[in-house]
Amino acid sequence: DAKTTQPTSMDCAEGRAANLPCNHSTISGNEYVYWYRQIHSQGPQYIIHGLKNNETNEMASLIITEDRKSSTLILPHATLRDTAVYYCIVRANTDSWGKLQFGAGTQVVVTP
Amino acid sequence: EAGVTQFPSHSVIEKGQTVTLRCDPISGHDNLYWYRRVMGKEIKFLLHFVKESKQDESGMPNNRFLAERTGGTYSTLKVQPAELEDSGVYFCASSQDWGDRGFSGELFFGEGSRLTVL
Repeated sequence: DAKTTQPTSMDCAEGRAANLPCNHSTISGNEYVYWYRQIHSQGPQYIIHGLKNNETNEMASLIITEDRKSSTLILPHATLRDTAVYYCIVRANTDSWGKLQFGAGTQVVVTP
Repeated sequence: EAGVTQFPSHSVIEKGQTVTLRCDPISGHDNLYWYRRVMGKEIKFLLHFVKESKQDESGMPNNRFLAERTGGTYSTLKVQPAELEDSGVYFCASSQDWGDRGFSGELFFGEGSRLTVL
């Protein structure tokens, strides 16, 4: 699986959009980009995933560059409850996809 | 609908003792996974069940760890004998069968079982 690179931490003001970058320059054609987050003392929570098209759901938007070497997770209106570690994971959609490789992630702190 | 439940939430044992962690997946989910985060490290995959069969157990650290899922419902993870380096949080997750539509991408994680080995 391709390796991802994320900033260690970032702050965001409550009510503003949070834009979380992720680099995955070695991604291959059949690999998806997944985003999960872990709020303190809870289990990881799925946010969104995509292959090459931009995706949006009730939680966030995922913007993938045309060359697929990087992506951005957008939380449109950050709230204090969005404070968490966010993980960008690249994974092929194969039979063994469930073996997610969590990295260090980005610690996002949303401030009032 | 109940989510993934794990028991106990926290267990404190002494080195050399045995601990059994339990996971109840979401009803109807054939896929069940175990992950763990040991102190200061990243979350790591341990194994994957499809119903009662082990699909992938490549992440199991050694033979002190035994996972079972008899009947394809709940799963247990036994550590025997426990060592200090086993301390951490053990997460269970489940997902639906993929079928013809392919996988949705979503694993549902439990709150985790914190294990402390003294």
